[in-house]
Amino acid sequence: DSGVTQTPKHLITATGQRVTLRCSPRSGDLSVYWYQQSLDQGLQFLIHYYNGEERAKGNILERFSAQQFPDLHSELNLSSLELGDSALYFCASSVVLAGGPGELFFGEGSRLTVL
Amino acid sequence: AQKITQTQPGMFVQEKEAVTLDCTYDTSDPSYGLFWYKQPSSGEMIFLIYQGSYDQQNATEGRYSLNFQKARKSANLVISASQLGDSAMYFCAMREGPGGTSYGKLTFGQGTILTVHP
Repeated sequence: DSGVTQTPKHLITATGQRVTLRCSPRSGDLSVYWYQQSLDQGLQFLIHYYNGEERAKGNILERFSAQQFPDLHSELNLSSLELGDSALYFCASSVVLAGGPGELFFGEGSRLTVL
Repeated sequence: AQKITQTQPGMFVQEKEAVTLDCTYDTSDPSYGLFWYKQPSSGEMIFLIYQGSYDQQNATEGRYSLNFQKARKSANLVISASQLGDSAMYFCAMREGPGGTSYGKLTFGQGTILTVHP
């Protein structure tokens, strides 16, 4: 158990719909990262939040947005869903220590299926 | 150009034997970190081992070791004494830059599926 909690674990929805994925980081971790794993694109970094502020953006579509709340949990909002958005969405958290590796601790992922 | 290349889509190994999973990387940043993650069929991502670009010695974590050849830009994972539970997808990943905002922004390879035979 990594300590990172993601809900829901599975989600099936239709094209054009909007969904929200939720993540609670490990206790004490201020950073939350979102990654997308799909068959054609592999694992891709989407976005990073640190203590409520957006810090870095990757290949995140404009239809997607995220935020991190004061209690440090984060939500990834996916709207106007398309078939190609079907993927496993991971949340990860890390503790940033000077000189440390800063490894990511991943949640179990939210598997999104768009029909 | 691919930043992380894993050329072995699949590998097979006999239980109790050692196996090497290849990873090459491409970066012009002098400061970077290399990671290996394991993804079992259940889907979660498990951190295995880390190598910093300035680390003088190869990283080791139990049965996992990282064969870091900086000049060749390779960071191969060696698993000794393979176990049936090692069957999984293995990802090599790189973080460019010393940290800060790039700390958790990893670039992943396509992965290698390892199958351990009894």
